[in-house]
Amino acid sequence: DQQVKQNSPSLSVQEGRISILNCDYTNSMFDYFLWYKKYPAEGPTFLISISSIKDKNEDGRFTVFLNKSAKHLSLHIVPSQPGDSAVYFCAASARSSASKIIFGSGTRLSIRP
Amino acid sequence: NAGVTQTPKFRVLKTGQSMTLLCAQDMNHEYMYWYRQDPGMGLRLIHYSVGEGTTAKGEVPDGYNVSRLKKQNFLLGLESAAPSQTSVYFCASSNTGQGANTEAFFGQGTRLTVV
Repeated sequence: DQQVKQNSPSLSVQEGRISILNCDYTNSMFDYFLWYKKYPAEGPTFLISISSIKDKNEDGRFTVFLNKSAKHLSLHIVPSQPGDSAVYFCAASARSSASKIIFGSGTRLSIRP
Repeated sequence: NAGVTQTPKFRVLKTGQSMTLLCAQDMNHEYMYWYRQDPGMGLRLIHYSVGEGTTAKGEVPDGYNVSRLKKQNFLLGLESAAPSQTSVYFCASSNTGQGANTEAFFGQGTRLTVV
């Protein structure tokens, strides 16, 4: 039973446009959410996070939105750049079970010219 | 600035063989983790450690053992490798528990194939 779901295995976006990556979760105890970015043959790197007490967090071109009632979060990248082509993992954790981050299956984002 | 270093980067094992994956971090982090990445499955937590001398089971611990004898090192052992353990293994570390609003730093991964 996947607690964190990324239903789109891949996404292709034109350079300069907005990329929207989606993530759904089932565990209502999750109170902290993260996005990681992964290039081939490298380890994942932290991108942005959001606490459940917020509904939006912005960092430059990256914004994460959290809709707790729908158990849904999304990552917006605008404008999209070629270097954004990577696999993006959504992840979540619960304060009650610190040290256990649950990852989604990832979405491969391709930015086309 | 090494960060998190995993050894080896690649390995091919025969079924039944044993091996140890080494993870070293130079950031003085308390928490360390081992994940495996499989197609369509994301990153799944195998074992983790909240400090020197401690270990705990994650989501998929069966077939693996770990040790944290020194704060900077976290070892993952496979006693009798099986083809189902073919995967990419990632080590990570963080200053505190990941549920406490901190990020984890990952190594570059170890690609293990069991034939």
